[in-house]
Formats: sequence, structure tokens, C-alpha cells
Amino acid sequence: GAGVSQSPSNKVTEKGKDVELRCDPISGHTALYWYRQSLGQGLEFLIYFQGNSAPDKSGLPSDRFSAERTGGSVSTLTIQRTQQEDSAVYLCASSPQPLYEQYFGPGTRLTVT
Amino acid sequence: KNQVEQSPQSLIILEGKNCTLQCNYTVSPFSNLRWYKQDTGRGPVSLTIMTFSENTKSNGRYTATLDADTKQSSLHITASQLSDSASYICVVENTGTASKLTFGTGTRLQVTL
Repeated sequence: GAGVSQSPSNKVTEKGKDVELRCDPISGHTALYWYRQSLGQGLEFLIYFQGNSAPDKSGLPSDRFSAERTGGSVSTLTIQRTQQEDSAVYLCASSPQPLYEQYFGPGTRLTVT
Repeated sequence: KNQVEQSPQSLIILEGKNCTLQCNYTVSPFSNLRWYKQDTGRGPVSLTIMTFSENTKSNGRYTATLDADTKQSSLHITASQLSDSASYICVVENTGTASKLTFGTGTRLQVTL
């Protein structure tokens, strides 16, 4: 079956612009996660959605970052007023239930110039 | 502070040789430890997941070990192949906190002819 998909695969934007990154999780997976992977760094947790519960936003680095998950499926990560330090690969993962194995998408490489 | 440290940072081996990657962690309370393989430009793919009571688990030519007392894990790759060239990431999950995975920075393995 189809895995986790993300779009776009690459995004180059100018400093100060807003960007939206999209994640389509595996159908039926209730848990969805966003991570950021900077060059030479481990994955950094950003936000976690589980069903209809309030999301865990504890990993969002600033109020410029926000995410939503519509209808319990597709999720969008929005970064407002992008900064150069936002340049990274943004990975989305989904799992059938919390604490189960996570399946990762291919990521979106964001470059802020 | 929860941390996962991996060594070596990078490794080059000849095709057909074996190698062992190390992971030390300070995550507490411990739920499980995962090894992921991440090809360049792709999302991580799960290799093994081990809980507290498991001290070894195999997946083909990959064998992971876990010593929960010393908080150490290793990933042994047997008879390496060119396709094993990738980053190998050790990830530790806290008990009861689905959103709190701590990722190591990975070991970059290159298998050459």
C-alpha cells in the first residue's frame, strides 16, 4: 500500500516568506508526527497529533511554527516569516497507534535564502 | 537530560565485511529502543524495535543488542553490501510519552568495493 507522502520534496524560499509543508499519512493511521532534521543533527520532534485529541506542540521552536491536521488525515506544517535557521529537512511520520512503529515520509528539504 | 549518543560518527568498510555500530543512551524512563536506516534523501526506515526485556533482535543481516542495565545498544551488520551504505539512527522512546522520541545523530556507513 501507499506510504507516507510529503510535498513539496524541495522548497526554496526567501527569508521572511511563509511556507506550507504537506503530509499525507498512511490511511487509517491515527498518530502523526512532524520532525525537523538539520544538517549534522539528530531528528528534532516538533508536533504530534493523535486522533481528535489536542496536539502536543511542545517541540515547536517558536510561534512562527504551527501545524494542523484536517479530518484526522492530511497535515500541514506552516512556518511564518521564515529565517535562515529554518533551513532543514522536515519529516512527517505516522503510526497506527501511539507507541507503535512510525513510518516516515521522504521529507521536504526547505532552504531559506 | 535525555540523550542518545552514537559512535562512530562515520565508518567506511569493504563489501562483505562485518561492522558494529554503538549507541549509548540516558533516556529515562525507558520504553523501547529502535534502530532506523536512512538512505540519502529518504525518510528513516525501521530495522528493529526492542523493549526492556529483549536483549537481541535480528532482521536479516542486521542484529541489534540491548543492555538495559548499562544503557547500551549495538547494531551488527553481517556480510555488508553496497546497499547498506546509509545513516543508521538509534532512537529511544520514553515510557508513556508517545511524542517523546530521542534521536541519535546517526552513524554514516559507507560500504565500498
